[in-house]
Formats: sequence, C-alpha cells, structure tokens
Amino acid sequence: DAGVIQSPRHEVTEMGQEVTLRCKPISGHDYLFWYRQTMMRGLELLIYFNNNVPIDDSGMPEDRFSAKMPNASFSTLKIQPSEPRDSAVYFCASSLRDLQPQHFGDGTRLSIL
Amino acid sequence: EDQVTQSPEALRLQEGESSSLNCSYTVSGLRGLFWYRQDPGKGPEFLFTLYSAGEEKEKERLKATLTKKESFLHITAPKPEDSATYLCAVQARETSGSRLTFGEGTQLTVNP
Repeated sequence: DAGVIQSPRHEVTEMGQEVTLRCKPISGHDYLFWYRQTMMRGLELLIYFNNNVPIDDSGMPEDRFSAKMPNASFSTLKIQPSEPRDSAVYFCASSLRDLQPQHFGDGTRLSIL
Repeated sequence: EDQVTQSPEALRLQEGESSSLNCSYTVSGLRGLFWYRQDPGKGPEFLFTLYSAGEEKEKERLKATLTKKESFLHITAPKPEDSATYLCAVQARETSGSRLTFGEGTQLTVNP
C-alpha cells in the first residue's frame, strides 16, 4: 500500500513568495496532521484534521499559515507571504483513527531565501 | 503543559553493545506513548505504542517498556543499521484530542 505522499520534496523560494505544500494521506485514514521540524524546536504539530474538518490549529505560527483539506485524499499547507524563519522540514502524517499510530510522509524541505 | 524529555541526546555504541534510551514525560493523564525511528532525510517511522504502565512491546532487537513517569527503549546487540534518531511522543487527556507532543530525540550511532 502507498504511504503518505508529500510534494514537492524540496522547495527553494524567495522571501515574500507564496508556498504551497501538498499531502495525500493513506487511503481510509480519518486523521491528517501537519508538522514542522527544525533543529531548534524539534517536531511540532501545526494543525490536524478529522474527517476533513480542522480540529486543532493552535500550533499554526501566525496568519501567514493556512491549511485546507477539501477532500479525504488531499490537503494543502500554504504560507503567504513566506519568510526566512519559515525554513524547515514540513511533514504530513495520517492515522486510521484516534490513538492509532501516525504514519509520516518523507517531508518537504523548505528553504526561504 | 505536556513535557517530554529524552536522554541521552546522542549515544554511540559498538556493534553488539546493548543499551537503553530514556523518555521521561509529564502529562495529565497519559493516553498513549509512541516510539518512532527517523533516518536522515526521511519521516519518522512508527515502532511501538504503549498505553499503560507495565506494558512491554518487542520487535527484533528493540523492546519498549512503560512506567508512570518514563519509557525505555532497550536495544539488544545493536547492528549498524539500527543507527538513527529515536523519538518518543505522548498523547494526553488534557491536550486536544489526537495531538502528539514529541521529545527532542536520541541520536544513536552503532559502529561496526
């Protein structure tokens, strides 16, 4: 079975540009999570969805970040405008249901110049 | 606020030299504790879930245990391919539903 698929794998862009990260969760999984990983702060939850509905967005840094899940097989994380401090690896994960293991994609390495 | 502390930050072992990694947690009502392995350039890979104190899980050379304050990941006779960063995470009653709080990880290197 295919795992969580993220695109792009790498993104390099200039400050001020809009960035869109994409995620396809594992089929049948009800939960989808967006994380950010940096050396300074480790792995942090940004937002998660249950059945396409955002449940907890308290980890979203500021209004420049937004996430959507228009259907069960697709989610986006958008940063507009981007800033150098947004540079990090962004992971998407999905789980079958609550308290079940989260399965991670291989991430998007984002560099904002 | 949920807190997860892993120790040591880094560990170097010789092949065959058994050891343990520690994950200490402070949460209000643990629902589950998760262990993951992360290789460079990859996402975390799920290893174990532990739900209650006294529970143990095993997989090949790895064994995870849980008490009311901490979890250990025991590595028996490790091989170079066990080299990775090991992360633990907790899911707690007081926090929002399915939120996981991760520790900083232990970077394990096994030399041949």
